[in-house]
Amino acid sequence: GAGVSQSPSNKVTEKGKDVELRCDPISGHTALYWYRQSLGQGLEFLIYFQGNSAPDKSGLPSDRFSAERTGGSVSTLTIQRTQQEDSAVYLCASSFGLADPYEQYFGPGTRLTVT
Amino acid sequence: SQQGEEDPQALSIQEGENATMNCSYKTSINNLQWYRQNSGRGLVHLILIRSNEREKHSGRLRVTLDTSKKSSSLLITASRAADTASYFCALQKSGYSTLTFGKGTMLLVSP
Repeated sequence: GAGVSQSPSNKVTEKGKDVELRCDPISGHTALYWYRQSLGQGLEFLIYFQGNSAPDKSGLPSDRFSAERTGGSVSTLTIQRTQQEDSAVYLCASSFGLADPYEQYFGPGTRLTVT
Repeated sequence: SQQGEEDPQALSIQEGENATMNCSYKTSINNLQWYRQNSGRGLVHLILIRSNEREKHSGRLRVTLDTSKKSSSLLITASRAADTASYFCALQKSGYSTLTFGKGTMLLVSP
């Protein structure tokens, strides 16, 4: 079956513009996660969804970041008024649930460059 | 730290040699997982070991977990050039639903 897909694969935007990143999880996966990875760094957890609900938004770097998930499927991560420090690869993952144990399936990521 | 810390940060070996990477942590965990990342894009799950397990094998991979020392190791035997990637340990901490990733070990396998 299809894996996790993300779009666009690459996005170049000017500082101050808004961007929207999309994630399509594996069908049937109820949990969805967003991470950010700066060049040569580890994964920074941003937010997760169980169904359409995001119980913990504390990982979002600033109030310019928001995310939503509709229909328990597709999720969008929106960054408003982008800054150069937002440049990174944004990774999405999904899992069958949150019950221990579980593994996460990752998408290929969206490489965001803010000029 | 709240996340796992991999050691070494980078490892360079020849094809056919074994590669060992370590992960240390400080919290209580339910399980520990290892992931591989090629070319800075999506991660691929390799193996999961529960807190009550001490060793697991999957093909050329061997993972150990010592909860008393709060450490895990990933051994890749008979390495191949295709094993070149970054390897991350991820913790599912007790009482938490999400995974916490370390900063990774970058492995280079030369032909």
